[in-house]
Amino acid sequence: DAGVTQSPTHLIKTRGQQVTLRCSPKSGHDTVSWYQQALGQGPQFIFQYYEEEERQRGNFPDRFSGHQFPNYSSELNVNALLLGDSALYLCASSWTSESSYEQYFGPGTRLTVT
Amino acid sequence: DQQVKQNSPSLSVQEGRISILNCDYTNSMFDYFLWYKKYPAEGPTFLISISSIKDKNEDGRFTVFLNKSAKHLSLHIVPSQPGDSAVYFCAASRSINTGTASKLTFGTGTRLQVTL
Repeated sequence: DAGVTQSPTHLIKTRGQQVTLRCSPKSGHDTVSWYQQALGQGPQFIFQYYEEEERQRGNFPDRFSGHQFPNYSSELNVNALLLGDSALYLCASSWTSESSYEQYFGPGTRLTVT
Repeated sequence: DQQVKQNSPSLSVQEGRISILNCDYTNSMFDYFLWYKKYPAEGPTFLISISSIKDKNEDGRFTVFLNKSAKHLSLHIVPSQPGDSAVYFCAASRSINTGTASKLTFGTGTRLQVTL
């Protein structure tokens, strides 16, 4: 049973460019959340997708956008990259359940903006 | 505003002894708490969780205690093993709707080192 997968593993971009990160959820999961982890910090919630719609959003600017596909996989897009966007981007999947709050994380994509 | 705090950036414990990692929160709306372990170059791995209707949850060597009145939770690892060396994150969540996996709010982590 494959866990959460993310691609690419590492990425180097220049300020002002755009980037797309990809995530495939764990089998059986229907919800995908994205987090940004800066060095020395805990993950910060960006947004969550369920049934192909953004269901919750954290305190991130509109430059951060996403998409969920019918197969539950997801993309995170960041436009007009800033140096401060350099971080580890984590995708987490979960399933909609009355008793489930656990989210399962992928290995992350390390984004460096120069 | 840091709603979940882990005030100890690091902790060193001898193998076989108990490791106690602490976490404080400020938002009384949080009703579910989780601990994650993170190795370098990997994503966080879910360890154990606790609902606010309980004050203790055990899973093998791991026990989480919740003190709602103090807005404090702790993770106990007994006995500690060298493979437990990692960064531990406390996370909190609150119910939105039935069947909704809410966003997680994380602390800044505690680096645990288990020495021989």
